[in-house]
Amino acid sequence: QKEVEQDPGPLSVPEGAIVSLNCTYSNSAFQYFMWYRQYSRKGPELLMYTYSSGNKEDGRFTAQVDKSSKYISLFIRDSQPSDSATYLCAMNAGGTSYGKLTFGQGTILTVHP
Amino acid sequence: DSGVTQTPKHLITATGQRVTLRCSPRSGDLSVYWYQQSLDQGLQFLIQYYNGEERAKGNILERFSAQQFPDLHSELNLSSLELGDSALYFCASSVGDDGRNTIYFGEGSWLTVV
Repeated sequence: QKEVEQDPGPLSVPEGAIVSLNCTYSNSAFQYFMWYRQYSRKGPELLMYTYSSGNKEDGRFTAQVDKSSKYISLFIRDSQPSDSATYLCAMNAGGTSYGKLTFGQGTILTVHP
Repeated sequence: DSGVTQTPKHLITATGQRVTLRCSPRSGDLSVYWYQQSLDQGLQFLIQYYNGEERAKGNILERFSAQQFPDLHSELNLSSLELGDSALYFCASSVGDDGRNTIYFGEGSWLTVV
């Protein structure tokens, strides 16, 4: 079983829809949680960074972390065709893991006009 | 543009050969990371350096090695290449060496082994 599970999709939504992306994890030591967006054959771009449990909002993006359930989510409001990409969740345990990130498999999102 | 620079962008080489991938971190960043991305394995952590010293190691093959130089640039050396080594190799950097720091990725080096 992978440490981080992410539904690979693909997910196809109409423009303007609310998108929900999720990851579950098994390592209770994870305490730093990130969402990256990756366009085809490009480098991952950091979207959201959250420490421990709670919510964080940035424009159309909201990240939620529920450590008790080992579950994290990313919501995209008013989705745009330019949001079409692969979304990767990533986690870090800190401590002796230093900066090592463990990634989910990525969810492929398509927003059609 | 994340500020992390990787060269070369694309590389095609034959099995058994050796290649070197180069990375310049963002200005001011002391940590450099290497990741491998393949279709079946996703993004896998290889190794992290901080200010010239190895900090963390992932499932990096013995045929692969890396180092970080005094000017903070890093190189990933891949030797005795096999077809299965074909992948996107990403370098990333951050200011510090732990999870509290945001990590920025370069555009990657696409390696094809034929």
